[in-house]
Amino acid sequence: AQSVTQLDSHVSVSEGTPVLLRCNYSSSYSPSLFWYVQHPNKGLQLLLKYTSAATLVKGINGFEAEFKKSETSFHLTKPSAHMSDAAEYFCVVSDSDSNDYKLSFGAGTTVTVRA
Amino acid sequence: GAGVSQTPSNKVTEKGKYVELRCDPISGHTALYWYRQSLGQGPEFLIYFQGTGAADDSGLPNDRFFAVRPEGSVSTLKIQRTERGDSAVYLCASSLSGRGYNEQFFGPGTRLTVL
Repeated sequence: AQSVTQLDSHVSVSEGTPVLLRCNYSSSYSPSLFWYVQHPNKGLQLLLKYTSAATLVKGINGFEAEFKKSETSFHLTKPSAHMSDAAEYFCVVSDSDSNDYKLSFGAGTTVTVRA
Repeated sequence: GAGVSQTPSNKVTEKGKYVELRCDPISGHTALYWYRQSLGQGPEFLIYFQGTGAADDSGLPNDRFFAVRPEGSVSTLKIQRTERGDSAVYLCASSLSGRGYNEQFFGPGTRLTVL
């Protein structure tokens, strides 16, 4: 079984400042980890994914995340927030080594960006 | 190419009625998933199809929920005797295959409101 915990339900940043969204995971197998973004009234969009290759993963729109097995973490960062980054972000885990295709979503982090 | 599409985008019904929600996956994707997203929460797995068969329906909350995918492409989620607690956004996703490391592409969802 796998699960994720998003440590912040809401993050507020000023435009141009760094963004950090924290995620811890639990997995019985080697995990695949994903970050998805959901803008209001839009579908979920994949930002980036980790599947046992490089531990530092670069995604779209300047986001990146680092897989740290010793800390069971997969935090999402962006050096400089843009107004368009205001959205809901989900950390997601699935088990790579099993035939477990189910995605387990965290509760989400709402990001607001102040001008 | 076209992404995952879902119809209707919004559905309002009365308690006790029957509803059908449709999902049209990305062409060539053999795996199809349904998730349910309640207000303020992350999506939760409902059912997974590999081809025409429901490989895993363990997430369906009760026997009022049923889904089909008769030709291995379009899927329909059916809810009988709807209850107010069924109100949520129902998301459909598809992927090339049902392995955990494959990206799942999500549709925009159907917002179901049961009055």
